[in-house]
Amino acid sequence: GQQLNQSPQSMFIQEGEDVSMNCTSSSIFNTWLWYKQDPGEGPVLLIALYKAGELTSNGRLTAQFGTTRKDSFLNISASIPSDVGIYFCAGSTNFGNEKLTFGTGTRLTIIP
Amino acid sequence: DAGVIQSPRHEVTEMGQEVTLRCKPISGHDYLFWYRQTMMRGLELLIYFNNNVPIDDSGMPEDRFSAKMPNASFSTLKIQPSEPRDSAVYFCASSRVPQGSGELFFGEGSRLTVL
Repeated sequence: GQQLNQSPQSMFIQEGEDVSMNCTSSSIFNTWLWYKQDPGEGPVLLIALYKAGELTSNGRLTAQFGTTRKDSFLNISASIPSDVGIYFCAGSTNFGNEKLTFGTGTRLTIIP
Repeated sequence: DAGVIQSPRHEVTEMGQEVTLRCKPISGHDYLFWYRQTMMRGLELLIYFNNNVPIDDSGMPEDRFSAKMPNASFSTLKIQPSEPRDSAVYFCASSRVPQGSGELFFGEGSRLTVL
């Protein structure tokens, strides 16, 4: 089946640093999404991407839909303590009832 | 607006007992999803409903798991009998659009521990 590999698995950064993470797929996706999960909470949608090459921002977050359709990237600028959590990419091959596949997650920790 | 509401938040039970998890989706959302999250397997879709009708239950692990949606504002996931390997966080999510669009709203989850 489809698999989404996220890297890195974990990141330890200092407040104020920029963060980059990516997600790769073994097959082509037509939708890429990025979710964030805070400890003890459910995932929350951050950014949705529906077009190859699309670059979308949400505040300090910027995500890109890779041109090969097999990858996506998430950048966080000037990290702050509330950015701590697990970031999941997710993708699907169409906009209908195709299953949404979730990545393995990138755990972000901010060192004081 | 109220989000997806799940109960209980935490459940500790003994092997062999019946477990019932509950979910109230966001009003107006026609799609409801049950996911399971574990360290080993990540987020897995168990089953989803469209307009209260189960559409795809291929992710349900085995016959011990069952899910119902008697009306648009309530769904249950039942495990009978429960086993230690069922220990996980179970999430309910709802959406206005098919899951392929990815715009899911998750509840806070029910953490299940089976001893």
